[in-house]
Amino acid sequence: SQELEQSPQSLIVQEGKNLTINCTSSKTLYGLYWYKQKYGEGLIFLMMLQKGGEEKSHEKITAKLDEKKQQSSLHITASQPSHAGTYLCGADISAGNNRKLIWGLGTSLAVNP
Amino acid sequence: EAQVTQNPRYLITVTGKKLTVTCSQNMNHEYMSWYRQDPGLGLRQIYYSMNVEVTDKGDVPEGYKVSRKEKRNFPLILESPSPNQTSLYFCASSLSLPSGGNTIYFGEGSWLTVV
Repeated sequence: SQELEQSPQSLIVQEGKNLTINCTSSKTLYGLYWYKQKYGEGLIFLMMLQKGGEEKSHEKITAKLDEKKQQSSLHITASQPSHAGTYLCGADISAGNNRKLIWGLGTSLAVNP
Repeated sequence: EAQVTQNPRYLITVTGKKLTVTCSQNMNHEYMSWYRQDPGLGLRQIYYSMNVEVTDKGDVPEGYKVSRKEKRNFPLILESPSPNQTSLYFCASSLSLPSGGNTIYFGEGSWLTVV
């Protein structure tokens, strides 16, 4: 199974609705990245969280890190068609004596006008 | 403007014909890496480089080579491409190790098809 699970895998919402995407790690999180990707295109940085309880916002997107649960959530308020795309989380985890970055499989979001 | 530039963006090639995907960043970043992205498997790291002349294998290095002769460039070389290397490839860079809380910048991706 994946070391970094994203849920849901896909999501269809009506424009204006709120939504939440979760990213859960099986290992201790030292940091968590959120990116957005349009199909076949590059990854656009949204935000990075490092401390437990940290919460960051950018426009209508808010992300929070729960270190105890080894989980991060990404919340979009009043979704718009421009929010459509795939959201990827990347986790900075411990790997032996080193750290490594692992990635979730993504959550595909469609927003219906 | 901060950029990671990959070329080519799209390529169809034949099995066994050597190819190079170039990657260049204009941010004076020390850390660069290559990923491949496949459906159901997500992003997997191929190789990374901590600085000039320092490279190391990622999770899926077989069939690939890299070099880091200059700080800004990190080409990915497929000496003898095979169909299982058909994928979407991303180059990425950051100021130093991503574990330092550094923003990772990605290129726009290179679609490679090996027939």
